[in-house]
Amino acid sequence: DIQMTQSPSSLSASVGDRVTITCRASQGIANSLAWFRQKPGKAPKSLIYAAFSLQSGVPSKFSGSGSGMDFTLTISSLQPEDFATYYCQQYHTYPYTFGQGTKLEIK
Amino acid sequence: EVQILDSGGGLVQPGGSLRLSCTASGFTFSSCAMSWVRQAPGKGLQWVSSISGSGVTTHYADSVKGRFTISRDNSKNTLYLQMNSLRAEDTAVYYCAKELYSTGSSALDYWGQGTLVTVSS
Repeated sequence: DIQMTQSPSSLSASVGDRVTITCRASQGIANSLAWFRQKPGKAPKSLIYAAFSLQSGVPSKFSGSGSGMDFTLTISSLQPEDFATYYCQQYHTYPYTFGQGTKLEIK
Repeated sequence: EVQILDSGGGLVQPGGSLRLSCTASGFTFSSCAMSWVRQAPGKGLQWVSSISGSGVTTHYADSVKGRFTISRDNSKNTLYLQMNSLRAEDTAVYYCAKELYSTGSSALDYWGQGTLVTVSS
């Protein structure tokens, strides 16, 4: 199975800040990488697919980059609703696998 | 507007069975593969199973292979997950998710609200 490793596991930031989360795959996955945001008690929400493509309705303050094994999610101008847990996921090969999550907290 | 509604969760004893359902609207159901993803209490996301748009091709996580069966009824826009021989470690919120494409592996773009399965005596 392809292992997905996110860093950091937790992150403190302030409203208005810009943050970056990284995700590394244990083997190459081309650009078959998605990012999700999950608020407590809610279903995940898709943000980005194909490493950098924004899902419909997702604001441009979210951006993704990378290819192969290393990927990043950048969120600019943090708002209160952005403080949540973020997951990366590869869909290059079954079984699909997720990173362990990055919890973004208010400083 | 895409809408996905998960249902069928509940409390079941170890060794028991349960069938989850997922009703979808707002898109051409048969043109999209569908997946189940679960989340144990306080834990991360774990993919469980996927099925192609036609229902011909299925994939399973090793942890559920031989115990769970994914299926779909495209005439009813409904996805199912039949869960047998349930174990305590299957306790989780189960999410149904739509994929972008009908075949092959593709991104999950819309998710249901989740349904809680608790396996306990």
